[in-house]
Amino acid sequence: AQKITQTQPGMFVQEKEAVTLDCTYDTSDPSYGLFWYKQPSSGEMIFLIYQGSYDQQNATEGRYSLNFQKARKSANLVISASQLGDSAMYFCAMREIQGAQKLVFGQGTRLTINP
Amino acid sequence: DTGVSQNPRHKITKRGQNVTFRCDPISEHNRLYWYRQTLGQGPEFLTYFQNEAQLEKSRLLSDRFSAERPKGSFSTLEIQRTEQGDSAMYLCASSLGVAGEGTEAFFGQGTRLTVV
Repeated sequence: AQKITQTQPGMFVQEKEAVTLDCTYDTSDPSYGLFWYKQPSSGEMIFLIYQGSYDQQNATEGRYSLNFQKARKSANLVISASQLGDSAMYFCAMREIQGAQKLVFGQGTRLTINP
Repeated sequence: DTGVSQNPRHKITKRGQNVTFRCDPISEHNRLYWYRQTLGQGPEFLTYFQNEAQLEKSRLLSDRFSAERPKGSFSTLEIQRTEQGDSAMYLCASSLGVAGEGTEAFFGQGTRLTVV
């Protein structure tokens, strides 16, 4: 079974600083996808970034980058130059490649950006 | 297209009543998912449709829960004889499923259910 672990319940960062949100995963599948979603207080899950297990390079999307270390089974999210609007819950998720392609989520990290 | 739409956004119901939620996915998306999120937790998978066919259900989906997706368009999730433990955010997501990678799932804003 797939499992996602996020060990940081809360993170507090000063505006404009970079922040790393940790995510480790466990799976026996040879191929899989890793995602990060942002959930503001409104409730919607907003897709941020995706990393395929066979991708050679770390994924980047604007201020977001994914530090993918396959041997360590980690997929940390790095947010550069944090902004007040980045304050939200952040979820790491894994998707199976076959079948339903459903997402398995971690417990999330609440990120608070201080002015 | 405005994305995945869920209605209602909030629902308060008395224990024992039935409730129904609706999800309108992104129009060209053939895959539709329902997830449940309780306070302080990540979303948990409930069920999955490919077009109109319900292909997978989680053990979390007790026999009081039923989901449909007639004609492969919108979907409904009904909970019969609600219990206080059903209080949660119910999230719908859709994606364009292709062999192999597929695309990312787009989520609606959810329906927050409170059972009193």
